[in-house]
Amino acid sequence: DQQVKQNSPSLSVQEGRISILNCDYTNSMFDYFLWYKKYPAEGPTFLISISSIKDKNEDGRFTVFLNKSAKHLSLHIVPSQPGDSAVYFCAAIYGGATNKLIFGTGTLLAVQP
Amino acid sequence: DVKVTQSSRYLVKRTGEKVFLECVQDMDHENMFWYRQDPGLGLRLIYFSYDVKMKEKGDIPEGYSVSREKKERFSLILESASTNQTSMYLCASSLAHIYTEAFFGQGTRLTVV
Repeated sequence: DQQVKQNSPSLSVQEGRISILNCDYTNSMFDYFLWYKKYPAEGPTFLISISSIKDKNEDGRFTVFLNKSAKHLSLHIVPSQPGDSAVYFCAAIYGGATNKLIFGTGTLLAVQP
Repeated sequence: DVKVTQSSRYLVKRTGEKVFLECVQDMDHENMFWYRQDPGLGLRLIYFSYDVKMKEKGDIPEGYSVSREKKERFSLILESASTNQTSMYLCASSLAHIYTEAFFGQGTRLTVV
């Protein structure tokens, strides 16, 4: 049973516009959420995170929004650039001492020049 | 600079072989993870270790085992490789006890023929 879901397998956006990537989760025990970016044949790299006590976190062009009541988070990229083209994974950490990390299925973002 | 190193970028093995995938981190992290990435399925957790000699099954442990004899090294073992284990394997590490990101290795593309 997939506890972290990204329902859009792919997204295409024009350069300079906003990219919005969505993620839903089912487990209310998740305490911390992260977004990763992955290029082909490379390991994922961390982008941005948010604690469950916040509803927004911003870092440059990247903003993550968390709606706990809806069990939904989203990543906004503004403005989108061709170099942002990659697979984006959302991930969640269970509350507790060990920080077990669960990932979603990923969304392939294509930013068209 | 933090580093997670996987022993091979590409491996080709025969069905039935015993396969070892090695991962080393230099950040003194307590947690280490093994994931596999498959198209449409995202990153699925195979095994997780939160301390030396301690391990926990992830979502898809069948056909795999792990070993963590030293804090910096986490090995994934395919006891008898099968073609459905052809995949990209990713190792990661993170600190325990605080909410923070995990760092990934570059991945091992394993092909079982």
